[in-house]
Amino acid sequence: EAGVAQSPRYKIIEKRQSVAFWCNPISGHATLYWYQQILGQGPKLLIQFQNNGVVDDSQLPKDRFSAERLKGVDSTLKIQPAKLEDSAVYLCASSPPGGAGSYEQYFGPGTRLTVT
Amino acid sequence: GNSVTQMEGPVTLSEEAFLTINCTYTATGYPSLFWYVQYPGEGLQLLLKATKADDKGSNKGFEATYRKETTSFHLEKGSVQVSDSAVYFCALNTNAGKSTFGDGTTLTVKP
Repeated sequence: EAGVAQSPRYKIIEKRQSVAFWCNPISGHATLYWYQQILGQGPKLLIQFQNNGVVDDSQLPKDRFSAERLKGVDSTLKIQPAKLEDSAVYLCASSPPGGAGSYEQYFGPGTRLTVT
Repeated sequence: GNSVTQMEGPVTLSEEAFLTINCTYTATGYPSLFWYVQYPGEGLQLLLKATKADDKGSNKGFEATYRKETTSFHLEKGSVQVSDSAVYFCALNTNAGKSTFGDGTTLTVKP
C-alpha cells in the first residue's frame, strides 16, 4: 500500500513570502494531521482533520497559517507571510477511521522549510 | 493540557548493552501510548504501542509497559545493536485522537 505522500520535500523562501505544502494520506484514512517539528524538538500538532472537518486547530497560528482538506482526502497547509521562526520540518500523518485514538499514525517524509 | 516528558539525550551505548529510555506523561482520561522511531534519513514510524493500563507493547526486541500508577511508558531493550541508532519519540493519543509527542531521545550504539 502506498504511504503518505508530501511535496515538496524541501523549500527555501525569504521572510514575508508565502509557501504551501501538500499531503496525500493513505487511502481510506479518515484522520489527517499536520505537525511542525523544529530541530531538536518533537512534532507539535498544528491541526487535525477528521474527514474534511477540523477536530483540533488550537495550536495553529491562525494569523499566518491556514489548512484545508477538500473532499476529505488531500490536504494543503499554507503559511502567509512566513517568519524566520517558521523554519522547521512540516510533517503530515494519517490514521485509519475509528479506534478512538488507539490507532497509530503513518507519517510522510516531511517538508523541510528554511526561511531566510 | 497533555504532556509527554522523555529522558534527555543523547544516549550512547556499546553494542549488546541494556537500554532504557524513560517516558512519563500527563493526560486526562486513559490515553493510548506509543513509541515512534526515526532512523537516520527516514521518516517517523511506529515502534510499538499500548492502549490500556498494564498492556505491554513489543517489537524488534523493544518493550514498554503502560504503567497507569506511575504514568510511565519506559522503553527497554536487552541488547542493543548498531542498527538501533535512531531518535526515539514517546507519544500519547487521547480518546479523541489528539496527539502529544515528547522531544525525542537520540540513541547512538557503538560497535
